[in-house]
Amino acid sequence: GENVEQHPSTLSVQEGDSAVIKCTYSDSASNYFPWYKQELGKGPQLIIDIRSNVGEKKDQRIAVTLNKTAKHFSLHITETQPEDSAVYFCAASMNTGNQFYFGTGTSLTVIP
Amino acid sequence: DAGVTQSPTHLIKTRGQHVTLRCSPISGHKSVSWYQQVLGQGPQFIFQYYEKEERGRGNFPDRFSARQFPNYSSELNVNALLLGDSALYLCASSSQGALRLNTEAFFGQGTRLTVV
Repeated sequence: GENVEQHPSTLSVQEGDSAVIKCTYSDSASNYFPWYKQELGKGPQLIIDIRSNVGEKKDQRIAVTLNKTAKHFSLHITETQPEDSAVYFCAASMNTGNQFYFGTGTSLTVIP
Repeated sequence: DAGVTQSPTHLIKTRGQHVTLRCSPISGHKSVSWYQQVLGQGPQFIFQYYEKEERGRGNFPDRFSARQFPNYSSELNVNALLLGDSALYLCASSSQGALRLNTEAFFGQGTRLTVV
C-alpha cells in the first residue's frame, strides 16, 4: 500500500519567516495530495490540495509543489503568523475514492 | 451551512464494551469516510461509504463495522473494545467517492474515545 513520510516532525520559525514541510509518497498511482491543518482539540481542516496534473498551486500565503518523478510534495507558508501554529498533515490518495494515506504530521510553532 | 457533525464529542467506555459513533455529512455530500487518529499520529483510514455501499476498508479488525443510511449519515461501530482503541475517531465527507476524481474531503471535529 501507499506509504507517506513527512518531515520535519517539529518546526519553529520566527513570525514573518517562511516554513516548509516536505512529504514523500511511495505509490506512483497516487494522484491527489491534500494538506490539512489540525489545531488542538479539532478535526483536520483542508488548507490546500494539488492534483497530479499540476506542478504548483498557490493560495495567498500558502503554496504546494509536486514533483511526480521524485514522488515528493511540499507545503510552503510565507509570512508566517502566530495563528499558523498547529499540526500540519500531508496526505496522498489514489483515484479509488477518498481513502487518504496521511503523513505523521509536523508541529509548527510560529514565535511572535 | 453546517459542516460535518459528529456525536458524541467525548466518550468513556470499559474494555469489552461496544460503542457506536455517529456522523452527519455536509448537506449534499454522499461519501463518508472514517478515520482513527491515535495521539501524536496521522489519521488512519478505516472505512469509506458512498451511496450507502462500502467502497473501501482499511487494515482494521472485524470488530470495526460501519454503515451509511439513506440520508447519507453514518455510524461506526466497534465491538469488544480494547485499550488500544482509545483514539480520536474522525469522519470526513465529500461530494464524490468511488471511481471518480477525488474531491475535497472535509473532516468533523471527531469523537474522543477513551477505553479504560
